[in-house]
Order: sequence, then C-alpha cells, then structure tokens
Amino acid sequence: QKEVEQNSGPLSVPEGAIASLNCTYSDRGSQSFFWYRQYSGKSPELIMFIYSNGDKEDGRFTAQLNKASQYVSLLIRDSQPSDSATYLCAVRSGAGSYQLTFGKGTKLSVIP
Amino acid sequence: EAGVTQFPSHSVIEKGQTVTLRCDPISGHDNLYWYRRVMGKEIKFLLHFVKESKQDESGMPNNRFLAERTGGTYSTLKVQPAELEDSGVYFCASSWTRGDTQYFGPGTRLTVL
Repeated sequence: QKEVEQNSGPLSVPEGAIASLNCTYSDRGSQSFFWYRQYSGKSPELIMFIYSNGDKEDGRFTAQLNKASQYVSLLIRDSQPSDSATYLCAVRSGAGSYQLTFGKGTKLSVIP
Repeated sequence: EAGVTQFPSHSVIEKGQTVTLRCDPISGHDNLYWYRRVMGKEIKFLLHFVKESKQDESGMPNNRFLAERTGGTYSTLKVQPAELEDSGVYFCASSWTRGDTQYFGPGTRLTVL
C-alpha cells in the first residue's frame, strides 16, 4: 500500500515568515512529486513539481526532494495571508501508472 | 481557456438511488482522471482514461461504480445503487499527455442519506 504522510496541522505562521511543509512517502520507486494548494471548496491547484533530488525554486516557493530519505518539502518565503490554504503533497510512481497518491494535506494559516 | 468543469457541484441522494456525475476536461486533453475524497481521508485515485479507453481502473472500489467516456470528450461516473460510504467529494482531473500536469476540477460533493 503506497502511502504519503503529511502533518495535518494547522500550521500557523506570522505574515512575512517562512512556512515549511513536509511530506514523506513509502514507495521508494516514486519518481514525480507535486505540491497542490487547495482553498476551501475549490479545486486543488498545482504549485510546484519536482523530479530530481535537490531544490527547485519558483518565486516565493521552493520544493526540496531527498529520495534517499523519501522526503519532500515545500518552503514558502515571505508568507502572505493569501497563502492560507490546505497544501497537498502528491506522488506518482511512474512505473507505467499515472495516478497520483495524495497525502491528507497540511492546513496552513498565515496570521497578519 | 476554460478549466476542468464538473456537474453537479452538489448532489444529495438517498441510499439505493442512482447518481451520475459529469466531468468536462480541458479542451484537447486526452487524459482524464477520477479521484475521490471521503471525509477525513486523503484524495484517492479511481481511474484513468486515455481518450475513450480505460488505462487504469485499479482504484474503482466495486462494481457499483461505472465510468464512461464515450467519444473521448466528457466523462460520466455513475454510482448505482449508492451506499452511505460513497459520500464524499469526487474530483475530475485532466492532462495533455499521460505524464503531464493534472489539472483538477472543483469537485462534486455527493451526500448519500
């Protein structure tokens, strides 16, 4: 059973701080990793994807991947109240399967 | 460009009834996915279409669920007969190629009483 684990939160950070969201996965063969943001009642929206070990930066967002530790994280710099949402970690094995395995999500609250 | 759309946004039915959910993918996207999130749980994969063909239906919970994608455009997911445990939010996603980003619709919230 492939699993993706996230701390459900809520994670509260003050405006302007760095928010750090973490995710671990069980399938060592996983190849692609995604972070989705979901506002209440809305569609999950892709923020970042990462395939290779290391860091990938896009604006205020940085995804970090460590395949040896089966760990992926998302850093949000200069957090804004508009970043308050649930962040979903998703993993794709890539072994001929294109389904995403999701974690339960971490609820982030950015306090003004 | 329009995103993935789903209809209805909410559905409340009684146990034993039939419900049909519809998903319209982004125009030109051959790949269409259904997912489901039951209360307190994570979003879980149901199945994957490539055009009109079922590529992967390993996540379908049982034979009360029937997904179709006639003509390779929109898709329907029928639950017949519905059970209490089928309540949840059903998401549809689409992508251009199999390995491409999956874009999600807003979901259909199904409540079975």
